[in-house]
Amino acid sequence: DAGVIQSPRHEVTEMGQEVTLRCKPISGHNSLFWYRQTMMRGLELLIYFNNNVPIDDSGMPEDRFSAKMPNASFSTLKIQPSEPRDSAVYFCASSLILGTGLGEQYFGPGTRLTVT
Amino acid sequence: GQQVMQIPQYQHVQEGEDFTTYCNSSTTLSNIQWYKQRPGGHPVFLIQLVKSGEVKKQKRLTFQFGEAKKNSSLHITATQTTDVGTYFCAGEDSGYALNFGKGTSLLVTP
Repeated sequence: DAGVIQSPRHEVTEMGQEVTLRCKPISGHNSLFWYRQTMMRGLELLIYFNNNVPIDDSGMPEDRFSAKMPNASFSTLKIQPSEPRDSAVYFCASSLILGTGLGEQYFGPGTRLTVT
Repeated sequence: GQQVMQIPQYQHVQEGEDFTTYCNSSTTLSNIQWYKQRPGGHPVFLIQLVKSGEVKKQKRLTFQFGEAKKNSSLHITATQTTDVGTYFCAGEDSGYALNFGKGTSLLVTP
């Protein structure tokens, strides 16, 4: 199993540009999570999908952020327009939720985003 | 909303010394998970605790879940340089999301 795959691994862009981060969850997992990690704020949940449906997007900072999961094997997180304060490591994680509980989460390697 | 506080923020020990990190939630949790993140890496799941007062061991690591299901601890006996990293607790209260603590960064010097 290849694990959770994220691309790109590093992204450097200028303020105002659109950024798209991609994630392929582990095959068979039914839930996908997008997190953002910074030194100041730690690991923050941005949005959570279950069976491709967004369940909780209360962590999405503002309208500049949007996420989609068109099918069980692919998700995107888009920032438009990007700002320097969006610089962070963005992690995608997936899990298999059976009944109660969110289950063990498998994290991808992350995308390190730098907005100049 | 639920908040998960973790202390200490940093810990520097000599190899062979013990290490403990503590996690406290503002609300009662249904379960708590622990993750380890190596420098430059991604969080990796260690364990999940579900029952009140539960204690689980993984070799030199001992995990505890409090009786009130609002606190937890991770204790490492006789640390090794391979234990270096940041240890996160993550509490689940409603089944909607895991709330991660800020983590405890452990540095082990030989």
